[in-house]
Formats: sequence, C-alpha cells, structure tokens
Amino acid sequence: DAMVIQNPRYQVTQFGKPVTLSCSQTLNHNVMYWYQQKSSQAPKLLFHYYDKDFNNEADTPDNFQSRRPNTSFCFLDIRSPGLGDAAMYLCATQDRVGANSPLHFGNGTRLTVT
Amino acid sequence: GIQVEQSPPDLILQEGANSTLRCNFSDSVNNLQWFHQNPWGQLINLFYIPSGTKQNGRLSATTVATERYSLLYISSSQTTDSGVYFCAGNSGNTPLVFGKGTRLSVIA
Repeated sequence: DAMVIQNPRYQVTQFGKPVTLSCSQTLNHNVMYWYQQKSSQAPKLLFHYYDKDFNNEADTPDNFQSRRPNTSFCFLDIRSPGLGDAAMYLCATQDRVGANSPLHFGNGTRLTVT
Repeated sequence: GIQVEQSPPDLILQEGANSTLRCNFSDSVNNLQWFHQNPWGQLINLFYIPSGTKQNGRLSATTVATERYSLLYISSSQTTDSGVYFCAGNSGNTPLVFGKGTRLSVIA
C-alpha cells in the first residue's frame, strides 16, 4: 500500500499559470519534504515542514510556496511557473528531522511547462 | 554543510556481474541512507545505515563512520538493478544532503 502519495503523476501547465502539486501520507510522520529534481541531477531540497514549522532553504525561489493544512497533507504551489521550473517534484516524509529513521518518497510529479 | 561525493558517476555492467558503489562524506554523519531511483523516477529507500553492515538479498551496504564513507555492494546484477543510486546523509537535526548519484546500466 502506498504510504506517500503524490498527485498528479504528470502535470502540464502553461508559462506563468499557477499550479499546485499535492502530497499525502499515511505514516503519521512529523516531517514532510519537497524536493525538485531536474534531469540527471540529485534531488534538491526546496523546503520542509517539521510539524507545522516551515523551513525554507536559502536558495529556494520566492515563486515556490508550500502549505501544510494538517499532518497528512502538504502542497507545493508554484505561483508563476517558468520554463526552468520543469522538473520532477518529489515529496518525502520522515519521523523526525535528523532522526534515525528512513526517508520515504512518493512517486513524484513530473511537471512540464509549455 | 556536509558534502557528499559518490563514485563512480556512471557504471555499465554485464548481467551477473558484481559491483561496488562508494559514498564519501566531508564530515561525520549520524544518518546515512542509500536510495535507488528506477527509470520511472521513483526513489526507493534501500538501506538506513549510519554504521556497520546490512544485507538485503543481493544488496548489502557497509558504513565506516570513523572514516566517513559507505559502500553499496550489488551482487549478481540484473537488468532491473539499472537506475541511479543515491546516498544521502546528515548530522544533527538537519535535512539529508544527497550525492550526485551513480548511474548504473546493467545489460543482458
């Protein structure tokens, strides 16, 4: 059974048109992460939530926002997607940041910007 | 922050061959994980291994924490082992830092 679920699997949006990606989890983990992964590169952390505390990476563009309305759900909002934002977006969960626990990834959402 | 280096960057194997992938860390870590990303982009957690040795079927991993490196062994490789292998680590209460990965192609 899938424990970290991302929807949709593929998303196409137009240049400048806001888009929202969603992630849900059944693990009841405190931490949820959003990563951006471009072709042939390592996942790049955008931000993470530790419970309700939001932690933004210093180099994450302002164009990217996130919401976590409850433990189970987390959203990634891209306010004005550019062509350079086309990528795979990966959601992951963990019991605690830095904890002795594995990271669990969803299947990802592949975003295309036209 | 911690720097993570993986080697080799690319590896081509004949089916049935064995291989060793390496991960070096610039500083001590208290959380080290190996992941496999399949050709469809899904990241699967293979091992959580901050120290010692673990085995799971044809895969095993060893971390020597005092020397800041970890090894992933793949024995009797199969075409389904193809993909990218990432290691990631962190210290304290910081998010995991990923290496750039080793891209493995197993050919029949």
